Amino acid sequence: GAVVSQHPSWVICKSGTSVKIECRSLDFQATTMFWYRQFPKQSLMLMATSNEGSKATYEQGVEKDKFLINHASLTLSTLTVTSAHPEDSSFYICSARAGPGGELFFGEGSRLTVL
Amino acid sequence: SQELEQSPQSLIVQEGKNLTINCTSSKTLYGLYWYKQKYGEGLIFLMMLQKGGEEKSHEKITAKLDEKKQQSSLHITASQPSHAGIYLCGADPLYQGNLIFGKGTKLSVKP
Repeated sequence: GAVVSQHPSWVICKSGTSVKIECRSLDFQATTMFWYRQFPKQSLMLMATSNEGSKATYEQGVEKDKFLINHASLTLSTLTVTSAHPEDSSFYICSARAGPGGELFFGEGSRLTVL
Repeated sequence: SQELEQSPQSLIVQEGKNLTINCTSSKTLYGLYWYKQKYGEGLIFLMMLQKGGEEKSHEKITAKLDEKKQQSSLHITASQPSHAGIYLCGADPLYQGNLIFGKGTKLSVKP
C-alpha cells in the first residue's frame, strides 16, 4: 500500500536553531499534504495544509513565520521550525492522500526536542 | 466547528474479551476515519466510513457508522495484546483530507 515517510524520526536541537522535517510520499503523488502536531498524551492537531506549488494554508493560531512549509514537488513537503524553543518540542506527523476521496496515509512521525 | 468525542478515554480488558469504542460528532460526519497509534509513533489506517449505516470489518475489528452519520463505533472481538494502543477517530468535515481528531481511546489488553 501507499507509504508516507518522514525524516528524521527524532531530532534534538538547541534553542534558537532551526530544524527541517521532511515528509515524502513514496509510491504516489500528493498535491496536498497535511502537518499535525501532537503533544504528549494528547490528540493530533492540524497545523497546516501544504499545497504543491503554492503557499501553505495555516490553521488559526499557528505562526506561519515560525513553521515554514514548503511543498516543492508532488512527493515532498518540508516543515521547518525556525528559531526553535523548548515549547516547540512535540511530535510532528504528516499525512497525504493518494487521490481525491482516497485513504489518508500518515508518516511515522518526527519527535522534536528543543533543549 | 466540528468536534469529536471519544469514549471511553481508556480501557483495560482481559485478553479474549470483546470491547467497543465510540466516537460521537457534534455535526454530521462526511468521512469518518479510524486509526490506531502506538504512543510516539505514526498512525495506522484501520477503516474509513462514509455512508449512513455502513459497516466494515478487517480481521477482528468492525467499525460502524450510524444512520444519522453522527456516531461511529469500533468493535474488537476476542481482543489480543497486539490490539493494545491508542485508537483515534478522525472526521473530514470539508472532505479535503484535513482531518480533525478525537482525543483518542487508550486500550490495554491484559494477557
